[in-house]
Amino acid sequence: AQKVTQAQTEISVVEKEDVTLDCVYETRDTTYYLFWYKQPPSGELVFLIRRNSFDEQNEISGRYSWNFQKSTSSFNFTITASQVVDSAVYFCALSEAHTGNTPLVFGKGTRLSVIA
Amino acid sequence: DTEVTQTPKHLVMGMTNKKSLKCEQHMGHRAMYWYKQKAKKPPELMFVYSYEKLSINESVPSRFSPECPNSSLLNLHLHALQPEDSALYLCASSLIQGDDNSPLHFGNGTRLTVT
Repeated sequence: AQKVTQAQTEISVVEKEDVTLDCVYETRDTTYYLFWYKQPPSGELVFLIRRNSFDEQNEISGRYSWNFQKSTSSFNFTITASQVVDSAVYFCALSEAHTGNTPLVFGKGTRLSVIA
Repeated sequence: DTEVTQTPKHLVMGMTNKKSLKCEQHMGHRAMYWYKQKAKKPPELMFVYSYEKLSINESVPSRFSPECPNSSLLNLHLHALQPEDSALYLCASSLIQGDDNSPLHFGNGTRLTVT
């Protein structure tokens, strides 16, 4: 069975601080996909990144970066120089290849508050 | 702005009412989804439509009835709901179901309150 654990329920940081959101996953498949979504107070889930299990290259997109390590089954997300607009709930999610991208299994989410 | 549009944004209904939630996308996606999200919880899958046919029903009670009239529209018909059904209902779409190059795109959701 697949499982996603986001151990951090809530994090508060002061603006301009860096923050890392942890995600640990479990799966028996060798081919799987990992995602991060952002859910601001307005409610919609905003897709941030998708990574397949064969691509361990870390990725940077502006202030966002992702560290995928298969050895530790982790897919952590770092926001550099955080801003108030980064305040949201962030979900890590997993799908296994035999089911394609559905159904996604979400972690419980990490609520990030960035204080000015 | 999200490319998946959901209406209404908010809905309050009594337990004897019949209402419908609507979802629309014009990205040419052929898979559409309904998720339910309770407060401080992750989204939970309810239904998946693939090429306008229901492909997944996650044992959802029959008081929730999905409908996919065409590839751009997805409805969720509600009847005789319970207060515990109050939640954020999220619609999503993807290019096709099971495509590893197609992440889900979510709408803003409908916040439903059942009184």
